[in-house]
Amino acid sequence: EDQVTQSPEALRLQEGESSSLNCSYTVSGLRGLFWYRQDPGKGPEFLFTLYSAGEEKEKERLKATLTKKESFLHITAPKPEDSATYLCAVPLGGYQKVTFGTGTKLQVIP
Amino acid sequence: EPEVTQTPSHQVTQMGQEVILRCVPISNHLYFYWYRQILGQKVEFLVSFYNNEISEKSEIFDDQFSVERPDGSNFTLKIRSTKLEDSAMYFCASSAQDTEAFFGQGTRLTVV
Repeated sequence: EDQVTQSPEALRLQEGESSSLNCSYTVSGLRGLFWYRQDPGKGPEFLFTLYSAGEEKEKERLKATLTKKESFLHITAPKPEDSATYLCAVPLGGYQKVTFGTGTKLQVIP
Repeated sequence: EPEVTQTPSHQVTQMGQEVILRCVPISNHLYFYWYRQILGQKVEFLVSFYNNEISEKSEIFDDQFSVERPDGSNFTLKIRSTKLEDSAMYFCASSAQDTEAFFGQGTRLTVV
């Protein structure tokens, strides 16, 4: 069955403590993997799209990578303003029918 | 920076009433979506709309739901007879192609 799984569910980091979030997927014929950030009570904010294994994208302290079975969101020297829920999403079924993972809630403590 | 706008930000309605949630997608986008997020749960796909018709829909999007693009700028989601379990955040999104979508800030629907 096609699905998207994120881990850990929650992560608490000290400011400056780097770490990685995981998104594993099972889908035949990946048509893209999306990373979003969601703040409480707000809509998801687009971060990255990855299309093929080996691809990497960077934005400020975030770097997303993709393998054939999973994607990682690496956070380098995080700051408190990076605290949010990070969502991974994959088109399953049709191109536009995007399935979201349950997210990783990141808390960065000063 | 262009953004997706949704109105209202919060809607309270009585069970059995009809509600219409409104969205203005980013102006040059061609694909439009509705998602919902029940409190504490994940974001769920409802429907996608392209070229003036539904292109895909989920099992959640039953006969109680409908979408419309009444003019060149608005995109609406109608729930005909609301149930308590329809209480959720509803997000509109749009994309230029069938790739990454950009989301609005959501409408919180509370059914009482």
